[in-house]
Amino acid sequence: EADIYQTPRYLVIGTGKKITLECSQTMGHDKMYWYQQDPGMELHLIHYSYGVNSTEKGDLSSESTVSRIRTEHFPLTLESARPSHTSQYLCASTSGGPGGYTFGSGTRLTVV
Amino acid sequence: GNSVTQMEGPVTLSEEAFLTINCTYTATGYPSLFWYVQYPGEGLQLLLKATKADDKGSNKGFEATYRKETTSFHLEKGSVQVSDSAVYFCALRSGSGNTGKLIFGQGTTLQVKP
Repeated sequence: EADIYQTPRYLVIGTGKKITLECSQTMGHDKMYWYQQDPGMELHLIHYSYGVNSTEKGDLSSESTVSRIRTEHFPLTLESARPSHTSQYLCASTSGGPGGYTFGSGTRLTVV
Repeated sequence: GNSVTQMEGPVTLSEEAFLTINCTYTATGYPSLFWYVQYPGEGLQLLLKATKADDKGSNKGFEATYRKETTSFHLEKGSVQVSDSAVYFCALRSGSGNTGKLIFGQGTTLQVKP
């Protein structure tokens, strides 16, 4: 079963609303990531963190922001949602080394 | 820079057919290589991995061999099932001590018909 949890699974909101997508992991991983997945299924890294109080922007420019106040928690916030933000958002974590990432189940966001 | 290229989909097969999804990569050093699978409405799950040249990763009947000479990591399965229908992502991870970020291919959709 998943050790990384994303909430909500599905969200439909109106344009201009502020939203926070939650991501928590119970594995004590230092490294956490947010990906945006477009309808063509390609994954785009939008934010990552290598530890508490460390956040970096990813390869795809995003209007979202993230914070990392606790090791286990890596929320993503959109201050003013727009229809162009409609997408699936995937959170992942890893302890480092040669292993891969563990992914959450994703949040499918629709902005109307 | 590092990159991963997968064959374009969708790949449509009949049940019990042989599957190959091609994946090639460009990277410096000795990356670790991965295949992830994404079932409809879900996040990504690690399917298999290989951390050095000539390693073979395997899981659930799927296999892939790390070929440094051809910079490839093709995914194969001898007999696919309808339940294998999903999107498959090839990925690499490089950097010192393999601490770098995962770099994904664009994904290949597999549809298996009964």
